[in-house]
Parts: sequence; C-alpha cells; structure tokens
Amino acid sequence: AQSVTQPDIHITVSEGASLELRCNYSYGATPYLFWYVQSPGQGLQLLLKYFSGDTLVQGIKGFEAEFKRSQSSFNLRKPSVHWSDAAEYFCAVGAKVTGRRALTFGSGTRLQVQP
Amino acid sequence: SAVISQKPSRDICQRGTSLTIQCQVDSQVTMMFWYRQQPGQSLTLIATANQGSEATYESGFVIDKFPISRPNLTFSTLTVSNMSPEDSSIYLCSVDFGSTEAFFGQGTRLTVV
Repeated sequence: AQSVTQPDIHITVSEGASLELRCNYSYGATPYLFWYVQSPGQGLQLLLKYFSGDTLVQGIKGFEAEFKRSQSSFNLRKPSVHWSDAAEYFCAVGAKVTGRRALTFGSGTRLQVQP
Repeated sequence: SAVISQKPSRDICQRGTSLTIQCQVDSQVTMMFWYRQQPGQSLTLIATANQGSEATYESGFVIDKFPISRPNLTFSTLTVSNMSPEDSSIYLCSVDFGSTEAFFGQGTRLTVV
C-alpha cells in the first residue's frame, strides 16, 4: 500500500523568503503525485501534479516541485513566499490498484508567513 | 475538468441523529470517493462508490455507520449515522482523477453537539 510522509508539521518563513516543503512517498511503482493547498475554511486546490515525463513540474501561484525517484521525494518549492501563501499544504500519492484510484494524503504542513 | 457540488456546506447536528451529504458532479464519472478530515488532521478515505454496486469501505469504516448510495454516474450520498461528537469533521467527496487530477467538492463541515 502507498503512504506519504510530510515530516514538517509546521513551518514559518518570512515574506519574500524561499520555501521548500518536504514530501516522501512509498509506493511500489511509479506514483502519481500531487500537491494540494487548503486555506482556512476552504476546499482543496490543486497546486501541481506529476504523472510522467519531466521531473520538474510547474504549478500555479509560482510553485514548483521536483520528483526524485532515487529519494522517493516530491518536494514543493517557491522562490519567494507571499503572505497569501499561508495555508495547509498536502502532498498526495495516487495509484491504480485493482480499478480503485483514490489518493493517499500526507499529514499536511501548515505554513505561516511572517511579515 | 469536473465541478463538484456538495450539500450542505455545513451543519450542526444533535448527537444520535443522522445527516445525509449530497455530492453532485457535472459530468459522468465511474468512481466517486468520500473522505473525512478530522479537525487539524489530514484526509482519510472512507469509501469508494461505484454506480451499480456496493461501496467499498476502508479499514475502520463500516456501512452501518456510513451508508453510501450511488444511484447514477453523477450523484452520490454519504450518510453519517447515529452521530457522536467524534464525527465532527469535514467530509469531502472526490471524483476519479483519470489522467488529469482528482477533483474535490468544497466539503461539508459537520459539528455534532
């Protein structure tokens, strides 16, 4: 079964600073990987996804993530954080298993942005 | 893409009662998924709902507590039965991501008092 680990529960960065949120996954084949953001009281918004091909994927709001198979990682990055980026970020892995294609989510990383 | 509408968006319910959450998709989809997000927690899959067959429940979730209907390819309901305060969560429906992405409803925020 697949699993996702987000080792950082809470991260605080200053506005304008760079950001990296870590995500490690466990899956026996090539996974489908996602990053979602959830603002307080809001639903889930997809930031970016990796299915195949180029291992550096670009997403919305200036985010990018790099798939590293050797490290089983899919870390999310942003070069300059904005105050509006404060939210909860979830990494997720998807897999085709006997016709079921649900997602397994990490525990989330709460991002706080200091002025 | 898919647009998913969930109703109600929030509710406050008395313990011992039941609440049925509706999920409507604007296109036909094979699978729909129901997730629970307990306060301050991540999303946990409750069950997978296929049209024309019984839902498949994940470990720790049972049909008597979370009955699911899937009458057609665009609609599903999740009922939270005999509620207790521990059922206070956000419940989200999602559709099969196929080759693009998983789409989520806005969620139903349930508070049991």
